[in-house]
Amino acid sequence: DVVLTQTPPTLSATIGQSVSISCRSSQSLLDSDGDTYLNWLLQRPGQSPQLLIYSVSNLESGVPNRFSGSGSETDFTLKISGVEAEDLGVYYCMQATHAPYTFGAGTKLELK
Amino acid sequence: EVKLQQSGDELVRPGASVKMSCKASGYTFTDYAMHWVKQSPGQGLEWIGTIIPLIDTTSYNQKFKGKATLTADKSSNTAYMELSRLTSEDSAVYYCAWSFDYWGQGVMVTVSS
Repeated sequence: DVVLTQTPPTLSATIGQSVSISCRSSQSLLDSDGDTYLNWLLQRPGQSPQLLIYSVSNLESGVPNRFSGSGSETDFTLKISGVEAEDLGVYYCMQATHAPYTFGAGTKLELK
Repeated sequence: EVKLQQSGDELVRPGASVKMSCKASGYTFTDYAMHWVKQSPGQGLEWIGTIIPLIDTTSYNQKFKGKATLTADKSSNTAYMELSRLTSEDSAVYYCAWSFDYWGQGVMVTVSS
């Protein structure tokens, strides 16, 4: 199974600060169809996960553009340019290139 | 507006089975895959499997083969997941997710005697 390693496990930020989360894969996530199925999800406290970014860098409809994703093959990054209070929660990367689909362990974003 | 409405929380005895539902609205049910995901208490997320309603095809995480059975009823736009031979390890929140874009509110399953 593909292992996704997220760092850091916890992130403390002030409002307005820019932060980044890393997701490293044990295998290349480049699919034979040319796409890379690496997504980023946010789970706010007491809520279901929600999709933020799909296929590395595509912003899901309705997601603020302070969120951005980058990377390729095995190394990926989620950046939040100016944290807002509503961004607090646990961020997960997940891959849907190789079955079984797998998730990172999560990065908890807290207010400093 | 896309909505996935899952059935209510369940308290079940060890060894029993439970079947939960996920009713979709706001999109064409057969157009995309429906995934099921497990979140154990204080744990992360695990993909259980996927059903493609259009062609009634399923794929499972090997870990959940024999544990989970996915079905779909196209006439009512509803996906189902049945979990069998429940143990305490199956106590978790279970989500349906349409193409991972939209998620249901989750079903909390508690296995206890």
